[in-house]
Amino acid sequence: EDKVVQSPLSLVVHEGDTVTLNCSYEVTNFRSLLWYKQEKKAPTFLFMLTSSGIEKKSGRLSSILDKKELFSILNITATQTGDSAVYLCAPHNTDKLIFGTGTRLQVFP
Amino acid sequence: DTGVSQDPRHKITKRGQNVTFRCDPISEHNRLYWYRQTLGQGPEFLTYFQNEAQLEKSRLLSDRFSAERPKGSFSTLEIQRTEQGDSAMYLCASSSWTGGNEQFFGPGTRLTVL
Repeated sequence: EDKVVQSPLSLVVHEGDTVTLNCSYEVTNFRSLLWYKQEKKAPTFLFMLTSSGIEKKSGRLSSILDKKELFSILNITATQTGDSAVYLCAPHNTDKLIFGTGTRLQVFP
Repeated sequence: DTGVSQDPRHKITKRGQNVTFRCDPISEHNRLYWYRQTLGQGPEFLTYFQNEAQLEKSRLLSDRFSAERPKGSFSTLEIQRTEQGDSAMYLCASSSWTGGNEQFFGPGTRLTVL
């Protein structure tokens, strides 16, 4: 059965800290892995990763995939209060996204 | 705005009633997905369409649930004889198969079954 495990489940930091969010997966017919940010609304797309070892960056956020060890990490540097959200990892198999339960990040001033 | 839209945004119904939700995908996207999300969980896949063809349904989708995408454009999700356990956020997403796997989500329909 497909499985996605995110850690930590919850993280509380102060503005300016750097955080690393982890995602491990076991998914049949793996095609790619996506990261989403969810505030009190629908998930918003952050990254799609298809190749191992190639970092994707967007501002203070970056992510990388290891297809051999079946995990991905999402880094956020110099966190801001606006980064407070649930971050969802979602491997994509042939047909659908399979979501983890997410990591809840709270950034305090 | 050319994003995914869903209607209604909120629905409160009594147990046993039927409800129908609508999703309008991004216009050039040929794949449309339905997910359900409950509190504290990530979205769970329900079903998806490529154009008008429904290609996969989750075992979560009981026979009370039906989805259509009649002309390969908008889609509807109907729940018959609603139960309190159906209370959740119903999310629609779309993607372009030729463009990769990025799925873009609509704002969701929050269903409360009393």
